[in-house]
Amino acid sequence: GAGVSQTPSNKVTEKGKYVELRCDPISGHTALYWYRQSLGQGPEFLIYFQGTGAADDSGLPNDRFFAVRPEGSVSTLKIQRTERGDSAVYLCASSSATSTEQFFGPGTRLTVL
Amino acid sequence: AQSVTQLGSHVSVSEGALVLLRCNYSSSVPPYLFWYVQYPNQGLQLLLKYTSAATLVKGINGFEAEFKKSETSFHLTKPSAHMSDAAEYFCAVSVSGGYNKLIFGAGTRLAVHP
Repeated sequence: GAGVSQTPSNKVTEKGKYVELRCDPISGHTALYWYRQSLGQGPEFLIYFQGTGAADDSGLPNDRFFAVRPEGSVSTLKIQRTERGDSAVYLCASSSATSTEQFFGPGTRLTVL
Repeated sequence: AQSVTQLGSHVSVSEGALVLLRCNYSSSVPPYLFWYVQYPNQGLQLLLKYTSAATLVKGINGFEAEFKKSETSFHLTKPSAHMSDAAEYFCAVSVSGGYNKLIFGAGTRLAVHP
C-alpha cells in the first residue's frame, strides 16, 4: 500500500513569500503530525491532528505558521512571510488510532533565500 | 517534560564490529521509547519501540535495545555492523497513554568502514 506522501519534495522561495506544504497520510490513519528538521538536528514537533481538529499546536513557532486538515485526510502546512530561518525539512507522519507507530513521509525541503 | 540526549553525534565502526548508540531520556511519567533510522534523502523508518512490555526489544535489521529505568537509558545495539547500516539514527520519547507526540534526540550519524 501507499505510504505517506509529501509535495513538493523541494521548495525554494524568497524571503517574505507565502508557501504551502502538502501531506497525504496513509489511508485510514486518523492521527497526523507535522515536524520540522533543521540541519544537523532531530525533528521537532510542530502540530498534531486527530481527525479534522488540531489537538496540539504547541510546537508552531509563531503565528506565521498554520496548518489545516479540513476533511480529516490531507493536511496543508502554511507559512506566511517566510524567513531564512524557516529553511528546514518539514516532515509529516501519520498513525492509526490504535498504534504507537508513526509512519513518516520523505519530507519537503524548504529553502528560503 | 520529556527530553532525549544522544551521546555522540558521530560514531564510526568497522564492518563486523559491535554497534552501540547511546540514548538517555528524561520523563516524569512512564515513557514510550523509539529508535528511528534515516537514510539519505529518505523519511524516518521505525527500527524498534518500547511500550512497557519486555525491557529488551528486538527490531528490524538485527538491532535491539534495552530499557533500563534505573539508568534512564535506551541504548541501541547490533552485534555485527554491515555497510548498509550507515545512516542517521534518532532516539525519541513520548508520553505513554496519550497521543504519540515524539520528542527526538539530535541524532547519531553512524559510519561503517571496511
